[in-house]
Amino acid sequence: DAGITQSPRHKVTETGTPVTLRCHQTENHRYMYWYRQDPGHGLRLIHYSYGVKDTDKGEVSDGYSVSRSKTEDFLLTLESATSSQTSVYFCAIMAGQNYNEQFFGPGTRLTVL
Amino acid sequence: QKEVEQNSGPLSVPEGAIASLNCTYSDRGSQSFFWYRQYSGKSPELIMFIYSNGDKEDGRFTAQLNKASQYVSLLIRDSQPSDSATYLCAVNLLALSGNMLTFGGGTRLMVKP
Repeated sequence: DAGITQSPRHKVTETGTPVTLRCHQTENHRYMYWYRQDPGHGLRLIHYSYGVKDTDKGEVSDGYSVSRSKTEDFLLTLESATSSQTSVYFCAIMAGQNYNEQFFGPGTRLTVL
Repeated sequence: QKEVEQNSGPLSVPEGAIASLNCTYSDRGSQSFFWYRQYSGKSPELIMFIYSNGDKEDGRFTAQLNKASQYVSLLIRDSQPSDSATYLCAVNLLALSGNMLTFGGGTRLMVKP
C-alpha cells in the first residue's frame, strides 16, 4: 500500500457542511494527488502537490481546496459539501524513479445527503 | 474525444484463455503508460508500466505499446477467476505539466470458471 493511509475511510455528511479528508504517507514522497472516482467518469484528478505548500489544480478542482503543511500530510477540504461531491476519494503518491508511477491509498467513501 | 479511451466491457473470457485489453490515447507525445487493476471496492493497484514501443512481459501479463498507432494493450495469459476486476489504463500525457496521469474509464474483465 506504499505506506499511504486515508482518514476517515467512510463518512456521511449533510449538504452545506465542511468536510476534510486526510492523506498520510510515511515514506517522504514529494508528489501527492487527490482523485475522485465516479461511475461513468473513472478517476479524475482534483488537486496535486509537488512539495510542502506547493499545490496546483487538477481537472475537477471546483468546490475543493487542499493544503500541505508538512511532507507526510495532504488534506482535501470540501468547504460546503454538495450532493454532487458524493464519491470515492483516493489519495496517491508518486514513487517511481523515472516513469511517474503512482500508488494509491485505500480510499474514502463520502456520502453527502 | 476523450484523451484516454477504453472499452468499458464487460469483457468475458473463459478460465485459461488469453484476455486482451486495449487502450487508445490522443497525445502522440505521451511518454509513459500504466495498467492498474482495481477489484470492486478496492483501490487501483499498479500491475505494469511501459515506455518503449514493443512488448514488456511480467509473469502472465504482457503490455504492448504502439506509439505510431497511439494504443497500448494488456494481455493476460492463462486467465484465472481471480483476474476478474476492472483494468485501468493511465497515460502521462505530454500536454500535462508535472507528473500527472490521465486515466481511461476502465474495462471490466470477467473470467468464467
